[in-house]
Amino acid sequence: NAGVTQTPKFRVLKTGQSMTLLCAQDMNHEYMYWYRQDPGMGLRLIHYSVGEGTTAKGEVPDGYNVSRLKKQNFLLGLESAAPSQTSVYFCASTISGGDSPLHFGNGTRLTVT
Amino acid sequence: GQQLNQSPQSMFIQEGEDVSMNCTSSSIFNTWLWYKQDPGEGPVLLIALYKAGELTSNGRLTAQFGITRKDSFLNISASIPSDVGIYFCAGHGSSNTGKLIFGQGTTLQVKP
Repeated sequence: NAGVTQTPKFRVLKTGQSMTLLCAQDMNHEYMYWYRQDPGMGLRLIHYSVGEGTTAKGEVPDGYNVSRLKKQNFLLGLESAAPSQTSVYFCASTISGGDSPLHFGNGTRLTVT
Repeated sequence: GQQLNQSPQSMFIQEGEDVSMNCTSSSIFNTWLWYKQDPGEGPVLLIALYKAGELTSNGRLTAQFGITRKDSFLNISASIPSDVGIYFCAGHGSSNTGKLIFGQGTTLQVKP
């Protein structure tokens, strides 16, 4: 079982460049999330989606956009990358809201120079 | 917004020792979850707690949901080298969106 798959695994960008991170899940989960992980700060929620065609802002949404055109995919976009966006990005999904545990991908390590 | 304070930030212990870490919050959480993250991988769920006062074990791991719903602890007994990693507490707050709020993490190192 693939679970939650993130691509790419690593990426280096120059300031001002754009890119899209892809998250795909094969568990038919309704809810999907993008988090960023920085040393000493745990995981912070960027954006999330409670179903196909829906998106909502999380705790740290500035500088990011997302789209959920298909239920199984959740895309995170950086239109103009900044060094402050150097981080490890994790996608997660869960079957429904409420108290369901999240299942995580293995992360994308992004460096912006 | 809701926040979780996790302690300690890091631990360096001898193989065979017991480990304890905890999370506290100023607000109530409906669930408490404990995740472990191995290097280069995403967090993996260890234990989920759904009721105040609940005490749950998973092998050498034991976790409890505080009676006030504002805290939780995780104990690891007889640590082994593969216990190395970052442990996160997380909780579901008052919304129904499934969003998890995470603590800052406890980095555990085990000396053989």
